[in-house]
Amino acid sequence: AQRVTQPEKLLSVFKGAPVELKCNYSYSGSPELFWYVQYSRQRLQLLLRHISRESIKGFTADLNKGETSFHLKKPFAQEEDSAMYYCASNSGYALNFGKGTSLLVTP
Amino acid sequence: NAGVTQTPKFQVLKTGQSMTLQCAQDMNHNSMYWYRQDPGMGLRLIYYSASEGTTDKGEVPNGYNVSRLNKREFSLRLESAAPSQTSVYFCASSPTTGGNSGYTFGSGTRLTVV
Repeated sequence: AQRVTQPEKLLSVFKGAPVELKCNYSYSGSPELFWYVQYSRQRLQLLLRHISRESIKGFTADLNKGETSFHLKKPFAQEEDSAMYYCASNSGYALNFGKGTSLLVTP
Repeated sequence: NAGVTQTPKFQVLKTGQSMTLQCAQDMNHNSMYWYRQDPGMGLRLIYYSASEGTTDKGEVPNGYNVSRLNKREFSLRLESAAPSQTSVYFCASSPTTGGNSGYTFGSGTRLTVV
């Protein structure tokens, strides 16, 4: 079965510092990967999907098939980036989510 | 557009009580999903409906039932609530099965079973 692993439960960075949220997947094939974000007590929102290769709110994510990773990056973190971030992969019938990483950006 | 609407937003149940969580989407999406969100566990799939008229079990279906009433509505029923079902429940929909186009989520139902 496909698995998505987010090794960090909590990541704390200072405003203006670079941030990288890690995501690793297990899948033998061409994975379809996503990042979702959940701001405090709000609904989850799609942030990025790898097939579109777009940058949203300054975040980017590159699929590295050799390392089976899809890390989320932003060069300069902002306080409004504080949220819960979930990596997800398509299992064929639904999305499998990682356990999430809580990002805290402090001034 | 309302997107995905879930009711109620909050609910407290006593152990053994039953209730139905309602979910409706107005985007003409084919597929709908129910997830539960627990601290440290992420989102886990309870049931999904790939298309109108079909439902299938996800990762954690025990203690739940679902009904895809029509293309718009997908309800989740707890027949005999247990404290282990205390969680935040999210409904989601997508145009196609699997969510390649991305999910649209509801705002969630925060359920406490005492």
